[in-house]
Amino acid sequence: TQLLEQSPQFLSIQEGENLTVYCNSSSVFSSLQWYRQEPGEGPVLLVTVVTGGEVKKLKRLTFQFGDARKDSSLHITAAQPGDTGLYLCAGGTYNQGGKLIFGQGTELSVKP
Amino acid sequence: ETGVTQTPRHLVMGMTNKKSLKCEQHLGHNAMYWYKQSAKKPLELMFVYNFKEQTENNSVPSRFSPECPNSSHLFLHLHTLQPEDSALYLCASSQIRENEKLFFGSGTQLSVL
Repeated sequence: TQLLEQSPQFLSIQEGENLTVYCNSSSVFSSLQWYRQEPGEGPVLLVTVVTGGEVKKLKRLTFQFGDARKDSSLHITAAQPGDTGLYLCAGGTYNQGGKLIFGQGTELSVKP
Repeated sequence: ETGVTQTPRHLVMGMTNKKSLKCEQHLGHNAMYWYKQSAKKPLELMFVYNFKEQTENNSVPSRFSPECPNSSHLFLHLHTLQPEDSALYLCASSQIRENEKLFFGSGTQLSVL
């Protein structure tokens, strides 16, 4: 069974601080997605990374896919209250028709 | 309307009730999904429909019955649910060849009493 483990599960920081969320597995994935989910809403796709070692930036968010395609990280610089939400990583699978495997999520709270 | 719309947003039902969840997508996608989201657990894929044909049933109990009349509409019929079925039920859509890029609705928060 393929699993994705996210850490930390909860993170509470002050506005302006930096943070990193990790997504780890013993399995290789064809792609890695990051979603953000706000209370009362469904997840929204932030980024997809497909190449080992790939780094993508989205304003203050930096996403990295591990060289071996087994892990990923999300780094937020100078966090803002608007970054508050549940961050989910999801891995695309080779042998299951691309079905996504989701991590359990990291709940981020950024206090003003 | 745009995106993926789910109704109702909230639902409380007894264990003997029958209810249905509705999902509609306005994105021109050809794949639709039902996911279950429980507290502190990863999203669980329940059903997948490609071109309105069911291609995945992830060992879901028969008290959950999906229906996909066309590529834009998806239903989840519920009957004789258990309290442990209380969760957020999310509908999503995608293009079949880009099934890692899911577009989610806002979900139905279901409580089974």
